[in-house]
Amino acid sequence: GQSLEQPSEVTAVEGAIVQINCTYQTSGFYGLSWYQQHDGGAPTFLSYNGLDGLEETGRFSSFLSRSDSYGYLLLQELQMKDSASYFCAVRDAVNTDKLIFGTGTRLQVFP
Amino acid sequence: SQTIHQWPATLVQPVGSPLSLECTVEGTSNPNLYWYRQAAGRGLQLLFYSVGIGQISSEVPQNLSASRPQDRQFILSSKKLLLSDSGFYLCAWSVQRGGEQYFGPGTRLTVT
Repeated sequence: GQSLEQPSEVTAVEGAIVQINCTYQTSGFYGLSWYQQHDGGAPTFLSYNGLDGLEETGRFSSFLSRSDSYGYLLLQELQMKDSASYFCAVRDAVNTDKLIFGTGTRLQVFP
Repeated sequence: SQTIHQWPATLVQPVGSPLSLECTVEGTSNPNLYWYRQAAGRGLQLLFYSVGIGQISSEVPQNLSASRPQDRQFILSSKKLLLSDSGFYLCAWSVQRGGEQYFGPGTRLTVT
């Protein structure tokens, strides 16, 4: 089957840099996505890595290593508003219309 | 641009009552549509998805059902709610075979 592992919680202070890791097991791979969800809100798409390397979008970057079945989300210059849950996701290898989500990492940013 | 709507935003229903949640998408054609449920502090559980009108795939056997009467309309229903049906219900859409999914604002359902 397919599975994704993330740390359950990460804490950091404002202005710091934090990395949220995601390891996956899948028989087929079509890229790794990241979603952000604030408390009480809906998930929003952050980034997608289809190939190895780093993708940068403002203060957020996402990295993928297909040989290691590993990726991470890097958040720089942390702000209080970055406190949220972050989910990694891969497309289902059998049915690529579906996404398989990780269990999520809760990031708490302190002043 | 594409927009996804869900209603109602919150709902409190007694055990045994029926349920109907509606989701509509604007600005795109022939999207994939999804229903997820999320318990408090937990991950996303895929309930149903649809790749076209009248085509529904069920992921979890339970007392819920879904229908897609129109291309951009997705409905989640139940004939008799259980306490365990409480949760945050999210509708999402994606392009066909696309990786990114875009979520509606969600419906918070409390079954009492």
